[in-house]
Amino acid sequence: GAVVSQHPSRVICKSGTSVKIECRSLDFQATTMFWYRQFPKQSLMLMATSNEGSKATYEQGVEKDKFLINHASLTLSTLTVTSAHPEDSSFYICSAMTTGGDGSAATGELFFGEGSRLTVL
Amino acid sequence: RKEVEQDPGPFNVPEGATVAFNCTYSNSASQSFFWYRQDCRKEPKLLMSVYSSGNEDGRFTAQLNRASQYISLLIRDSKLSDSATYLCVVNKWGYQKVTFGTGTKLQVIP
Repeated sequence: GAVVSQHPSRVICKSGTSVKIECRSLDFQATTMFWYRQFPKQSLMLMATSNEGSKATYEQGVEKDKFLINHASLTLSTLTVTSAHPEDSSFYICSAMTTGGDGSAATGELFFGEGSRLTVL
Repeated sequence: RKEVEQDPGPFNVPEGATVAFNCTYSNSASQSFFWYRQDCRKEPKLLMSVYSSGNEDGRFTAQLNRASQYISLLIRDSKLSDSATYLCVVNKWGYQKVTFGTGTKLQVIP
């Protein structure tokens, strides 16, 4: 099946610094990627939908200026947590959906990255 | 009303038991349905897609009821390794609108 790679898997940073997380679709083109956050023992929460070549669509309550999303190519989306604070510590996961434009079957299935665990000290 | 609703559980069942989860969705235009499994501190992984005719994969059976707008997952002969959170995912294709349920936690007990 399709593969989505997320990097880094773990990151620890100091409060006030910025952290960038990359999400790559390795063997398919992903017009749309999704970013989620998951706090311990809670469900996945969609943060934003990232569309290649255009601005991301953020869910209500998610700060655009704090969580910068860039989707510059069909295989890469990045999430930058700016001026991170301890309350931003969480598990961040990306997912991508195949579009079918590159010959792969467009099934609506989501393929997830391995997740990035952010700890802000 | 949430777009996709699941009973959060936990469902505590003994090994070998049969357990079923339901997931209701509110958008009748939804087109694709999936069950994902998420282990603790890991990313969700696709368990199975849900087709209109119903589908089975080993001990797992998924069904779709469009009239009542719900999907179900049945697990037979539960194993300890089935312990996880099961996420219902509904996709309104074409609009790239993917909605997750909050997940149902299953704990299989020896």
